[in-house]
Amino acid sequence: EPEVTQTPSHQVTQMGQEVILRCVPISNHLYFYWYRQILGQKVEFLVSFYNNEISEKSEIFDDQFSVERPDGSNFTLKIRSTKLEDSAMYFCASTLEDRASKNIQYFGAGTRLSVL
Amino acid sequence: AQKITQTQPGMFVQEKEAVTLDCTYDTSDPSYGLFWYKQPSSGEMIFLIYQGSYDQQNATEGRYSLNFQKARKSANLVISASQLGDSAMYFCAMRENYGNNRLAFGKGNQVVVIP
Repeated sequence: EPEVTQTPSHQVTQMGQEVILRCVPISNHLYFYWYRQILGQKVEFLVSFYNNEISEKSEIFDDQFSVERPDGSNFTLKIRSTKLEDSAMYFCASTLEDRASKNIQYFGAGTRLSVL
Repeated sequence: AQKITQTQPGMFVQEKEAVTLDCTYDTSDPSYGLFWYKQPSSGEMIFLIYQGSYDQQNATEGRYSLNFQKARKSANLVISASQLGDSAMYFCAMRENYGNNRLAFGKGNQVVVIP
């Protein structure tokens, strides 16, 4: 069964460093998303991406964040200068976004980001 | 304002029994979708079941069923014949179909299945 793949599973970084979180969405999916979950809290939307551009972003997704689809398979989230409060689980999701698929977003296993 | 409300405290359920997880939602959008996801201790988010706002029947997927009461804006998840592997956090989420495609999640329900 096709799945969303995220790497690495755990990333430890020093405050102020740049990190890139990587995702390979399901191959025929068209919409891609990043969400985050701070430990013990609910999952929060960060950004959605379609047709090589951001289609929507939340207030959390400030200038420190960027997304890119550098090739036909990868979808990345970059945090330019990490802060302690960026420590969270980051989830990538993708969907085919049509009526037949019910717009179900399938999630990867997540990358746990720890900022020290 | 909270769009998805899950207020139950952690629940213990006996193996093979059924458990109901409550979810209420708030939207003025006539077209929306409701989702349940499972998050085991390993952390991944696993899609379980979907209910569309215009669906006439309650959704079912194997041991999972959704008790959809549109007038009350509730979408409770029922897990029948609980198994030890059902121990996890369960998140209710909503997507409003007009204007954006983000999912709004609730805070989750913790379920522990005991033998």
